Amino acid sequence: RKEVEQDPGPFNVPEGATVAFNCTYSNSASQSFFWYRQDCRKEPKLLMSVYSSGNEDGRFTAQLNRASQYISLLIRDSKLSDSATYLCVVTSPGGSYIPTFGRGTSLIVHP
Amino acid sequence: EAGVVQSPRYKIIEKKQPVAFWCNPISGHNTLYWYLQNLGQGPELLIRYENEEAVDDSQLPKDRFSAERLKGVDSTLKIQPAELGDSAVYLCASSPSGLNTEAFFGQGTRLTVV
Repeated sequence: RKEVEQDPGPFNVPEGATVAFNCTYSNSASQSFFWYRQDCRKEPKLLMSVYSSGNEDGRFTAQLNRASQYISLLIRDSKLSDSATYLCVVTSPGGSYIPTFGRGTSLIVHP
Repeated sequence: EAGVVQSPRYKIIEKKQPVAFWCNPISGHNTLYWYLQNLGQGPELLIRYENEEAVDDSQLPKDRFSAERLKGVDSTLKIQPAELGDSAVYLCASSPSGLNTEAFFGQGTRLTVV
C-alpha cells in the first residue's frame, strides 16, 4: 500500500461547479499535511496547508480527519484557471521529516 | 527574492552516458531535496540534505546515482551511466528547517535518455 493515495481522476467539471478531492495516508503518526498545485509541465507549488481544525482560503477549503486518516480539498465556484493537478502531501516522522507526495488528482474545468 | 534555480532545463542523452543536474536553493534554506517525477505520478524523493549532510538517501539508486552538497548550498545530482528508464523530470526543492515548512520547487530538469 502506498503511503499517500489519491484518485488520479481526471475530474471533469463545468465552470461554477463544486468539486472535492480526498487523499488517504497510511502512517497514523503523520504530522503535517499540505495541498500542492501543479500545472502542466510546471513545478508543484503550495496551495495550502491543512490544519486539524480545517482551514479556508477563498474558494478553497481543506480538512483533516485524523481518525480516518484522510484529508480533503473542496473547491467552490470552479474557474477555468483551476484546471491543474492537485497533489496531496503528508509529512511523517521516522528519523527525519520527509514530505511524501500522492500521485495527484487531475482537475479539468470546462466552459 | 530568487527562487530555486535548476539547470539545465532539458537534457537529451544516449543511454550509458553520464549526466549531471545542478540546483541552487533559496538563500538561507538549510534543507534541500531531490525528487524524481514520472509522467502521471507525484514526485518521489531521491535524497534529502540538511546543510551538507545527506539525512535520507534510502531511495537513491546508489549503483548509478550520486549527489553532493559540498558547502551546504548548491547541489548536484549525477547519473552514471544513464538508462532508458531514467527518463523523467528531476525536481530540486528547498525549505527552511522544521516540520511545518513549505517546500519550494525549482522548474526541474527534464531528462530524456535515448
